[in-house]
Amino acid sequence: EIVLTQSPGTLSLSPGERATLSCRASQSVSNSYLVWYQQKPGQAPRLLIYGVSSRATGIPDRFSGSGSETDFTLTISRLEPEDFAVYYCQQYGTSLTFGQGTRLEIK
Amino acid sequence: QVQLQESGPGLVKPSETLSLTCIVSDYSISSGYFWGWIRQPPGKGLQWIGHIYHSGRTYSNPSLKSRVTISVDTSKNQFSLELSSITAADTAVYYCARVTYGDCHCDYWGQGILVTVSS
Repeated sequence: EIVLTQSPGTLSLSPGERATLSCRASQSVSNSYLVWYQQKPGQAPRLLIYGVSSRATGIPDRFSGSGSETDFTLTISRLEPEDFAVYYCQQYGTSLTFGQGTRLEIK
Repeated sequence: QVQLQESGPGLVKPSETLSLTCIVSDYSISSGYFWGWIRQPPGKGLQWIGHIYHSGRTYSNPSLKSRVTISVDTSKNQFSLELSSITAADTAVYYCARVTYGDCHCDYWGQGILVTVSS
């Protein structure tokens, strides 16, 4: 089973700043099967990025994904107030696993 | 817009079987995609439970596989989860979701249902 480790655990930034969230896999993620979700309190996760870098429908272009093999990044170019939430990465190989999440909080 | 809605008991006793159903609206399960279950213990992260194709083929988390049964009823456009021999560690919000092919990302989610395991 591939273990995904997200860092940092908590990221404190101000609106307008750039956010860089990391997701590292314990072994190579096959076929670019790497996904990012956003979750706000009391809500279901929301799909942001799939296939490493493809934005889901309706996701603003300030969100971008990149990476390969074992190292992946979610970048939010300029934080809006509504972007403060928890972010999870997910991969699918022989099994489906999620990272433990990064909490993005207002500084 | 695909809609999913979980239903089932909010409180289950230890050692019993948890049973949940997800009703899908505005999309026919028979048209494709996988249909999955994900859970989230209070204050913790997400855990994949498993997903099913409309043909009935299932894929499950190895750590839960011996206790998980996922089934589909295309005539009712719904799918279900049974988790046996439950303990307090199974207390979580349970989500159903539509799961795509390939990277198995979940593009539509239900609102979630909190299931508490307690006597």
